[in-house]
Amino acid sequence: AQKITQTQPGMFVQEKEAVTLDCTYDTSDPSYGLFWYKQPSSGEMIFLIYQGSYDQQNATEGRYSLNFQKARKSANLVISASQLGDSAMYFCAMSAIYNQGGKLIFGQGTELSVKP
Amino acid sequence: DTGVSQDPRHKITKRGQNVTFRCDPISEHNRLYWYRQTLGQGPEFLTYFQNEAQLEKSRLLSDRFSAERPKGSFSTLEIQRTEQGDSAMYLCASSLEWSASGELFFGEGSRLTVL
Repeated sequence: AQKITQTQPGMFVQEKEAVTLDCTYDTSDPSYGLFWYKQPSSGEMIFLIYQGSYDQQNATEGRYSLNFQKARKSANLVISASQLGDSAMYFCAMSAIYNQGGKLIFGQGTELSVKP
Repeated sequence: DTGVSQDPRHKITKRGQNVTFRCDPISEHNRLYWYRQTLGQGPEFLTYFQNEAQLEKSRLLSDRFSAERPKGSFSTLEIQRTEQGDSAMYLCASSLEWSASGELFFGEGSRLTVL
């Protein structure tokens, strides 16, 4: 069975600094996708970044990058130059099949607070 | 706005009553998902449809829960004889079957409070 683990319930970061949110996963399938979503207090899940299990390079989207270490089964999210608007819950998630829409398994989330 | 829309956004009901939530996905998406999220937790998968066919149901989906997507477009999630433990945010998402990322697009959710 697939599982996502986020061990940091809460994190604080100073505005303009970088922060890393941890995510480890467990699966026996060779084909999978890894996602990060942001959930502000309004409740909507906002897609941030995706990494496929066969992708050779780490994914990047603007200030977001995914540090994918396949052997360690980790998919940490790095946010550079934090902004006050980055304060939110962040969820790591996994899909069963690379590049196919399918159900996502989510971790428990990390609450990020950005300090001015 | 062509995103996923959910209705109602908030519902307060008494224990034992039935409630129904509606989700309108992005029009070209053939997959539709329902998730439940309780306070402080990540979303938990409930069920998903490909077009009008319900392809998978979680064990979380008890007999009191039923979901439909009759014409492969909008979907409804009905909870019968609500219990206080049903209080949660119910999230709907949609996706294409095949895409570069398999990303799910979420609505803003329907928050249920059972008194």
